[in-house]
Amino acid sequence: DAGVIQSPRHEVTEMGQEVTLRCKPISGHDYLFWYRQTMMRGLELLIYFNNNVPIDDSGMPEDRFSAKMPNASFSTLKIQPSEPRDSAVYFCASSPRGGWHEQYFGPGTRLTVT
Amino acid sequence: RKEVEQDPGPFNVPEGATVAFNCTYSNSASQSFFWYRQDCRKEPKLLMSVYSSGNEDGRFTAQLNRASQYISLLIRDSKLSDSATYLCVVNGAGNMLTFGGGTRLMVKP
Repeated sequence: DAGVIQSPRHEVTEMGQEVTLRCKPISGHDYLFWYRQTMMRGLELLIYFNNNVPIDDSGMPEDRFSAKMPNASFSTLKIQPSEPRDSAVYFCASSPRGGWHEQYFGPGTRLTVT
Repeated sequence: RKEVEQDPGPFNVPEGATVAFNCTYSNSASQSFFWYRQDCRKEPKLLMSVYSSGNEDGRFTAQLNRASQYISLLIRDSKLSDSATYLCVVNGAGNMLTFGGGTRLMVKP
């Protein structure tokens, strides 16, 4: 079975540009999570969806970040405008049950904003 | 105080050694506990769940101490391939998973 798929795997962009990260969860998983990982702050939950509906976006750092899940097999995380401090690895994860159960991570998108 | 705290390490051990990591958590109402493994520049992967009675998976043993609010992971007969960062994971505020900062293990030949 295919795992969680993320694209692109690497993204280098200039400050001020719009960045869109994409995620395809494991088929049949009702929960989708977006995380950000940095050396300083570790792995942080940004937002999660249940059945395509955003449930908790309290981890989204500011209005420059937005996420959507138009259907059960696709989600995007958008940063507009991007800033150098957004440089991090962004992971998407999915789970067949609640957010407090095991989650399966995609390979991540390594974002560098110059 | 962080919700989940781990010693960042690194723990440098020779092949064949036994090594143990501890993790403390702050939410006494937590019910779900896991150890994840993360290789360099890779995604976290579930290593094992942690059950109240303790559980074992091959060379790996996980223990939970609710009274003291800590979780442990014991690795016996360490292999070079065990070198990775081990993340302690607990369901915390909002009943979502909270990840510790990780403990780095380096197994040397």
